[in-house]
Amino acid sequence: DAKTTQPNSMESNEEEPVHLPCNHSTISGTDYIHWYRQLPSQGPEYVIHGLTSNVNNRMASLAIAEDRKSSTLILHRATLRDAAVYYCIRISYNTDKLIFGTGTRLQVFP
Amino acid sequence: KAGVTQTPRYLIKTRGQQVTLSCSPISGHRSVSWYQQTPGQGLQFLFEYFSETQRNKGNFPGRFSGRQFSNSRSEMNVSTLELGDSALYLCASSPFDRVTDTQYFGPGTRLTVL
Repeated sequence: DAKTTQPNSMESNEEEPVHLPCNHSTISGTDYIHWYRQLPSQGPEYVIHGLTSNVNNRMASLAIAEDRKSSTLILHRATLRDAAVYYCIRISYNTDKLIFGTGTRLQVFP
Repeated sequence: KAGVTQTPRYLIKTRGQQVTLSCSPISGHRSVSWYQQTPGQGLQFLFEYFSETQRNKGNFPGRFSGRQFSNSRSEMNVSTLELGDSALYLCASSPFDRVTDTQYFGPGTRLTVL
């Protein structure tokens, strides 16, 4: 059964980098990797997505392993506003099948 | 642009009743997806609509249905409610597809079934 696993929780101090891992056990070559985050009482918010190569945007960076069986979301300098649950999601380009990770609750300390 | 809006935000129903939830996507977005979020199961995909047609469907019973109108607004309906249907129902829109595009989520409708 396809699984996308993430640690339940992680902690960071403000202004430190944070590396959030995600393991995709049966990822295929056409599965896009998306990251979303969810603050309390809000809907998820897009962070970043990619297919094969590393991606950067104003919010974060996404590092994708060469075999694509894992990815890492990198927040370069954590702020208190980054405290949220981060979800890694696989979406197949061919079948559109979507698999959610279990989510990582990130705590950021001042 | 206005974000994705969902109505109502909160709803309380009893077992056996039916419920209709509404979602207004961002203007110009043609893809609307629905998700169920519960503490036990996490986020699960319900279905996706594009240009008034259901494009994809998750593993939910037929009691869960939806539709999309010509203005891209979407509704989902749950008939014969069960206690386990209590959840946060999220709607998300994207310009064309949720695979290569960004999805924009609404705040959700919290459904409580008593």
